[in-house]
Amino acid sequence: EIVLTQSPGTLSLSPGERATLSCRASQSVSSSYLAWYQQKPGQAPRLLIYGASSRATGIPDRFSGSGSGTDFTLTISRLEPEDFAVYYCQQYGSSPHVTFGQGTKVEIK
Amino acid sequence: QVQLVQSGAEVKKPGSSVKVSCKASGGTFSSYAISWVRQAPGQGLEWMGRIIPILGIANYAQKFQGRVTITADKSTSTAYMELSSLRSEDTAVYYCARQYGDPAPFDYWGQGTLVTVSS
Repeated sequence: EIVLTQSPGTLSLSPGERATLSCRASQSVSSSYLAWYQQKPGQAPRLLIYGASSRATGIPDRFSGSGSGTDFTLTISRLEPEDFAVYYCQQYGSSPHVTFGQGTKVEIK
Repeated sequence: QVQLVQSGAEVKKPGSSVKVSCKASGGTFSSYAISWVRQAPGQGLEWMGRIIPILGIANYAQKFQGRVTITADKSTSTAYMELSSLRSEDTAVYYCARQYGDPAPFDYWGQGTLVTVSS
């Protein structure tokens, strides 16, 4: 099973600042089948990024993903008030078995 | 527009079973996979298993093997997740989610179903 480790656990930033979230895999993620999700309290997760760097439908371009192999990054260029949430990475390359990281909380400083 | 609508909250006794439904609308139900993911209070996301309705084949995470059964009814575009031998640690929100293609990310999610296991 591929284990995903996200860092940091919590990121304290102000609106307008840049957020950089990391996701490291215990082994190489096949064909960059890595996704990022955003989850707000009481809501289901929402797909942001898939294939490591492709934005899902309707996702603003301030969200970007990068990386390959075992190291992946989600960047939010300028934080908007609605971006404060928990973010999860997911690998889906070892289909059907997928795994999630433990999450990074982006909170208002 | 794809929508996944789940059944309502459940309260169960330890040792019993729960069956949660996920009704899909929009898209072609049989042509995609439905996964089940759970989230314990204050915790992260945990994949439990999935089914491809057109094949009727289900796969399960090793942790839940033998205790979870995922089925699908193509005639009603509904997927089901049944978890047996419930214990307090199974208290969680259970989500269904769609995968369009294989491998594929989870592009649509149900609203979640809270299952509380308590004596």
